[in-house]
Order: sequence, then C-alpha cells, then structure tokens
Amino acid sequence: QITLKESGPTLVKPTQTLTLTCTFSGFSLTTSRVGVGWIRQPPGKALEWLALIYWNDDKRYSPSLNSRLTITKDTSKNQVVLTMTNMDPVDTATYYCAHRIPLRGAFDMWGQGTRVTVSS
Amino acid sequence: DIQMTQSPSSLSASVGDRVTITCRASQTISSYLNWYQQKPGKAPKLLIYAASSLQSGVPSRFSGSGSGTDFTLTISSLQPEDFATYYCQQSYITPYTFGQGTNLEIK
Repeated sequence: QITLKESGPTLVKPTQTLTLTCTFSGFSLTTSRVGVGWIRQPPGKALEWLALIYWNDDKRYSPSLNSRLTITKDTSKNQVVLTMTNMDPVDTATYYCAHRIPLRGAFDMWGQGTRVTVSS
Repeated sequence: DIQMTQSPSSLSASVGDRVTITCRASQTISSYLNWYQQKPGKAPKLLIYAASSLQSGVPSRFSGSGSGTDFTLTISSLQPEDFATYYCQQSYITPYTFGQGTNLEIK
C-alpha cells in the first residue's frame, strides 16, 4: 500500500531555509502521470497547496510562494524534497506531502504531517 | 488562481441528519473537484474525487455532485464519526486551491 512520511526540522529561525523530505513507498515516481504534492496548514487555518512534482520532473508552484520554493525528486531513494527560503513566523504550519491520483489530481494518500515552527 | 468558496463555514447537526455542504469555484473546473475530511491533529482524508466518485473504503452515506462551478457534498445520515472539518479542492489547474473549510459540529 502507499505510505508517505515527512521529515525535517521542527524549529527554524526567521530568514533560514527550510528543507523537508517526503519518503514514500508503494508507488514509483517514474510511473506515468504520478505526482507528489506538498500542502501546509497553519494552526487553526485552512489547507494551502504549495507545490507539485510529476513523474516527468514537471514542477508546479504556488504563485504566491514561487520565488521561495523548490521541489525536487530522487527516484532512487523514493523521496521528494521541498525547500522554502527566507522563512518567516507566518510560515509556521504543519506541512504534508501527498500522493496525487493520476489523471484526476486528487490527493488520495497523505503523510502524517510535520509541524514546523518559525521563531527566533 | 481559482478561488474556492465553501458554505457554510460551520454547521451544527445531529446524528441521523442529512447534511449538505456547498463549494463554488470562481471559474469553471469541469468535474475536477475533490472533497476531504479532516479530524483534529490528523491528515486530511480523501472522500470524493472527480466531483462524484467515492474513494475506496469511504462509506456510501457520503456522496458528491456538481460540475462546472457549483458542487455539493452530502452526508445522508450523520454518524458520530462524521463530525470533522470538510474541505473542497480543485485539481483542474495548478495551483490546486482548497476551500476555507466547513466545520461540522454536534448539535
């Protein structure tokens, strides 16, 4: 079955760069139309879509965060990495990675999430 | 970006009630609309994809309908485990925007 798990720091300082890793199993990012996305959720707030990487290395980003985000994949390790530069306290959130259903774009499996706090 | 607007933002209902949540897109998204359920401290769970397709393992009391810009999620008979927050999401075009959520509470 498909599983995903996020890992990374729980605390970062303002202006630092956040690097999060999503390690997955049960599917391959070399399979046509497969994708992995990142979504975040500030405490008590709604879900926010951040980025998506496809099997063919096509990458899409939230326009409001585009200049700060980079998403990459390592198919040999079954990992997707998200970096976010210039972190700010408003970026405090739980960050999720999720498997995208081919063709329809829904996220059918999610990681447990990793809580990131931005504070000096 | 396509804006997704859910209504109501919160809803109180009783076990056994029929509940409907609405989601409206700021432009047409065909049937690229998905519904998620989220409980406190947990990751979202996919309920409905492609507007009306029930995700495997999801109880049949959940159903979705709509196309274009207007969509609904219906729970035919609320169960205690259904009290949660529900989100719609469009996957027609990136950025894949979410609605602001509907908090379903026990009356």
